[in-house]
Amino acid sequence: GAGVSQSPRYKVAKRGQDVALRCDPISGHVSLFWYQQALGQGPEFLTYFQNEAQLDKSGLPSDRFFAERPEGSVSTLKIQRTQQEDSAVYLCASSSYTYQEQYFGPGTRLTVT
Amino acid sequence: DQQVKQNSPSLSVQEGRISILNCDYTNSMFDYFLWYKKYPAEGPTFLISISSIKDKNEDGRFTVFLNKSAKHLSLHIVPSQPGDSAVYFCAASAVIQGAQKLVFGQGTRLTINP
Repeated sequence: GAGVSQSPRYKVAKRGQDVALRCDPISGHVSLFWYQQALGQGPEFLTYFQNEAQLDKSGLPSDRFFAERPEGSVSTLKIQRTQQEDSAVYLCASSSYTYQEQYFGPGTRLTVT
Repeated sequence: DQQVKQNSPSLSVQEGRISILNCDYTNSMFDYFLWYKKYPAEGPTFLISISSIKDKNEDGRFTVFLNKSAKHLSLHIVPSQPGDSAVYFCAASAVIQGAQKLVFGQGTRLTINP
C-alpha cells in the first residue's frame, strides 16, 4: 500500500519500561509529523521533521520523549520510563513539502499499566 | 488554551438530511482550515479544506464555510448517508518553520440514522 504505516498497532507497557514506535511515511514525502491523541480529544502536535532534520519539537511533553528520522524516511518515537499519563494513541503523518494536506497513519495505541 | 474548539461532542442526523458541524478558532494567524474524518481504529482521513482567502469551498456532498470575522467555520454534508457516521475533526494551520502545523479541535461524533 502507498499509505502511512505504523507499528506496532497496539502496545502494552509496564510503567517504567521504554517503548519505540515506528512510522513509515509515504514514499517521497519530505515532512513527517508525530501527534498524541488522548481519549476523547483531538490529535496534539508533538514534533516535526523535514527530511532528517527535526525542525520543531515544541510539543514533546517531557525529556522522556525522543524522536528521530536518521535517513529522512522512517521515523521512530521513543518514550523512556513510561508513565500512565503517556497512555494515548500516537499518530504519524506525512506530507509533500508543498502540499497542505497531511496523510495520517492508523496510529499506535499505547497503554501503560 | 484551546485554540480550536468544537463545542458539540456529538450530533445525530436523519439519513438524507443535512449535517452541520461547527468549529471556532481564536488565533488570527491561522491561514488554512481542514476537516478530517476518523473511523474507529483508523487514522484521520482528509476530507476538505479552505484557505483563509475564501469563504466557501465545495466538493460533492461536502461544503465548508469560513467566516473570518467570527472566526468560525462549518462543514455541511448533504444529503447525509449512513457511511458518514464517524468522528469529524476540524483543524487550523499556520506555516511555522517551513511546515504546516495543525491544531485540532476535540472532534464531533456524527451519527446518521437510517
